[in-house]
Amino acid sequence: AQKVTQAQTEISVVEKEDVTLDCVYETRDTTYYLFWYKQPPSGELVFLIRRNSFDEQNEISGRYSWNFQKSTSSFNFTITASQVVDSAVYFCALSEFIIQGAQKLVFGQGTRLTINP
Amino acid sequence: EAQVTQNPRYLITVTGKKLTVTCSQNMNHEYMSWYRQDPGLGLRQIYYSMNVEVTDKGDVPEGYKVSRKEKRNFPLILESPSPNQTSLYFCASSLSGSRTDTQYFGPGTRLTVL
Repeated sequence: AQKVTQAQTEISVVEKEDVTLDCVYETRDTTYYLFWYKQPPSGELVFLIRRNSFDEQNEISGRYSWNFQKSTSSFNFTITASQVVDSAVYFCALSEFIIQGAQKLVFGQGTRLTINP
Repeated sequence: EAQVTQNPRYLITVTGKKLTVTCSQNMNHEYMSWYRQDPGLGLRQIYYSMNVEVTDKGDVPEGYKVSRKEKRNFPLILESPSPNQTSLYFCASSLSGSRTDTQYFGPGTRLTVL
């Protein structure tokens, strides 16, 4: 079975600091898909990024960047110059095949990030 | 605006009183699913649907029913709710059930069963 581990339960930093959220995954698939979602205090789940295992190029989107390393089975997420609005629970997830035409997301336990002013 | 909507957002009910949580998406997605989120247990899939009239059990289906009579709607039914179904529920949709497709989530329904 696939597994996603987010070892950092909670992180607290001061605004403008850089912060990295760790994600380690386990899978036997040679091709797989990783995701990050954000859950702000209001509770919804917001999609941030999808990464294919065959594309090892790192991704940057504004203050957000993602470092995918197949050799260490990690898909870490960095927020540069953090802001109070970044405070949320962040989930890393791996999509898992159920049957042809059906999949589910296997989520990590989440990292609660608090940005203090 | 492309979105997944759920209603109600908050619900407090009593044991045994049947309830339905609605889910609707306006993206013409084929694949829809329900998850529940519980502290310490994370998010787990309850049911999924590959298309109209095609549904199947996920990891934690006990106590739930679903239906998919129209492509856009995927309601979650609790015939006789119990306190252990107190949870935060999310509906999700994606273009297809392929692992390559991103699942987009609704805003969540916080259910309390007394």
